[in-house]
Amino acid sequence: NAGVMQNPRHLVRRRGQEARLRCSPMKGHSHVYWYRQLPEEGLKFMVYLQKENIIDESGMPKERFSAEFPKEGPSILRIQQVVRGDSAAYFCASSPTGNSGNTIYFGEGSWLTVV
Amino acid sequence: GENVEQHPSTLSVQEGDSAVIKCTYSDSASNYFPWYKQELGKGPQLIIDIRSNVGEKKDQRIAVTLNKTAKHFSLHITETQPEDSAVYFCAASPPNTGFQKLVFGTGTRLLVSP
Repeated sequence: NAGVMQNPRHLVRRRGQEARLRCSPMKGHSHVYWYRQLPEEGLKFMVYLQKENIIDESGMPKERFSAEFPKEGPSILRIQQVVRGDSAAYFCASSPTGNSGNTIYFGEGSWLTVV
Repeated sequence: GENVEQHPSTLSVQEGDSAVIKCTYSDSASNYFPWYKQELGKGPQLIIDIRSNVGEKKDQRIAVTLNKTAKHFSLHITETQPEDSAVYFCAASPPNTGFQKLVFGTGTRLLVSP
């Protein structure tokens, strides 16, 4: 049973370009979360999605960031017009249900470097 | 909202010693407390978790204790081995968000020397 799959694992973008990060949840999981980890810091919640729905995006920056989880295909975190401060590790996680107290499984992360 | 503090930020022990990492949380309604291990360049891996209806949980060399009154929980690793070296994160899950939202501590870098 494959775990949470993220790609690309490493991505380099110049300032002003777009970054697109993809996540396929574990088999049987329909709840996806995105977290961001800045260098030497803990993980911070960004957004929670179910298929075709954004449930909570309270941790997403108001501009340039968007997320989707279409009916078919992976969840995508999109960062437009990247700036140096966007350099971080972005982790996707999934769970079988969204209930509080459920185990969440993380992927290996996508490391974004903005030059 | 929930706030989680974690101590120490770094911990060095000799192989075979025990290691203890402590976390405190602010929201008394939080009911789920997982611990994750993160190795360099990898994603967080769940190593143990505890729910608020339990005071202690053990899995081989790893144990977690929860004190709801004091709002703190701890990770205990016994007979440490060099492969235990990693960054460990605690987290708390406040139920009032309506979904599984984890608030993480800032991490503890554990170094186990042979």
